[in-house]
Amino acid sequence: GDSVTQMEGPVTLSEEAFLTINCTYTATGYPSLFWYVQYPGEGLQLLLKATKADDKGSNKGFEATYRKETTSFHLEKGSVQVSDSAVYFCALSGVTTDSWGKLQFGAGTQVVVTP
Amino acid sequence: NAGVTQTPKFRILKIGQSMTLQCAQDMNHNYMYWYRQDPGMGLKLIYYSVGAGITDKGEVPNGYNVSRSTTEDFPLRLELAAPSQTSVYFCASTNPPRAQFFGPGTRLTVL
Repeated sequence: GDSVTQMEGPVTLSEEAFLTINCTYTATGYPSLFWYVQYPGEGLQLLLKATKADDKGSNKGFEATYRKETTSFHLEKGSVQVSDSAVYFCALSGVTTDSWGKLQFGAGTQVVVTP
Repeated sequence: NAGVTQTPKFRILKIGQSMTLQCAQDMNHNYMYWYRQDPGMGLKLIYYSVGAGITDKGEVPNGYNVSRSTTEDFPLRLELAAPSQTSVYFCASTNPPRAQFFGPGTRLTVL
C-alpha cells in the first residue's frame, strides 16, 4: 500500500537558517503530494501541493519539488522565522481504487525556530 | 465561506457517556473524513464518506459511528466513551484529487 516517510524531529534552528525536511513516498502511479502545517493548538493547513512529476509547489517562502525518480517531495525554506515553528506533515493522495480520496500522512516533523 | 466547522471545541466526558461531534462544510465537497490525533502523533483515519448516504471505515473505527444524510454534514458519534478515546478530532473535506481542508478540531477528554 501507499506510505510516506519523513524525517523525525524535532528540528531546532536559529532564525534565518535554512530548513530542509525530507519526505519520501511509496505509491502506485502518480499520486498527488502535499505538505500540511500545524501550528500549536490548531488544525492542519495546506502549505503547498504538487500533482505531477517535476511540479514545484510553493507558498510563504516554502518550496517542494515532486521528484518521481527519487520518489521524494522534500520541503525547503531559505530563511526561517520564529513564526515558522510548527509541525509539518508530508502526505500523499493515491490514484488506485483503494487509495483514491484518502490521504496517507507521514508522522510529522516538529520544527522549532529560536531567535 | 466558513470552510469546515466543528463543534464543540472542547469537551470532557465521563467514562460510559456518549456524545456527537458535529462537522459541517459549505464548499460542496463530496468526500468528508474524521481523523483523530493523539498527543505528539500523526493523524489516523476513523471514518470517511464519499457522498450522502455512503460511509466507510478507516484505520481506527472501533468505538465510533458516523452518518451522512446531507452533503454538508458528517457527525461522529461516540458510544460508551473510554479513556482511550481522549484525543483531538479533526474533520476534513475535499473533492479528490484536490487537497483536503481541515476543521479546527475538537479536543476531547474522557475521565
